[in-house]
Amino acid sequence: AQSVAQPEDQVNVAEGNPLTVKCTYSVSGNPYLFWYVQYPNRGLQFLLKYITGDNLVKGSYGFEAEFNKSQTSFHLKKPSALVSDSALYFCAVPPTDSWGKFQFGAGTQVVVTP
Amino acid sequence: NAGVTQTPKFQVLKTGQSMTLQCAQDMNHEYMSWYRQDPGMGLRLIHYSVGAGITDQGEVPNGYNVSRSTTEDFPLRLLSAAPSQTSVYFCASRATGSRIYEQYFGPGTRLTVT
Repeated sequence: AQSVAQPEDQVNVAEGNPLTVKCTYSVSGNPYLFWYVQYPNRGLQFLLKYITGDNLVKGSYGFEAEFNKSQTSFHLKKPSALVSDSALYFCAVPPTDSWGKFQFGAGTQVVVTP
Repeated sequence: NAGVTQTPKFQVLKTGQSMTLQCAQDMNHEYMSWYRQDPGMGLRLIHYSVGAGITDQGEVPNGYNVSRSTTEDFPLRLLSAAPSQTSVYFCASRATGSRIYEQYFGPGTRLTVT
């Protein structure tokens, strides 16, 4: 079974500091990995995905994610956090076939303080 | 291109009442799904559909019905509302044919059952 885990319920960071949101995965075969963000009172929005190729994936809003096969991790990063980055972040793995369902992590609440 | 739309945004029901949450997408996606989001529980899949006339149960289907008469619409019916169904409901859609396609989410319906 494919799964992802987000070990932190909440991450607190000061504005301007680097932000990291952790995700580890357990998949069979080639891993495809996604990050979504949910701003308050909104639906989830796609941020970025790893399919193949470069281990550093760049996405929306200045976010990037680093794929590490040896550590089975796909951590989301931003060099300089903004207060507006305060949101709920989900790591996800797509189904093993195109008809199945995504597996989402439990989510990590990011709080950026001014 | 409106993406995924949901109505209503907010709803208050009394125990035992029924209602339908509407979901529509204009991206010609075959796959559509309904999730509920509760504090500490992450996203849980209620029902999904892989095309018009084809639906299946997710993790938490009890108390909900769905149908898919067109590619665009995927309504979720609460047959007899219960307080345990108080939640935020998200509809999502995605293209099929590949595992690399991301899901698109609607803005959500916040339901309170008293």
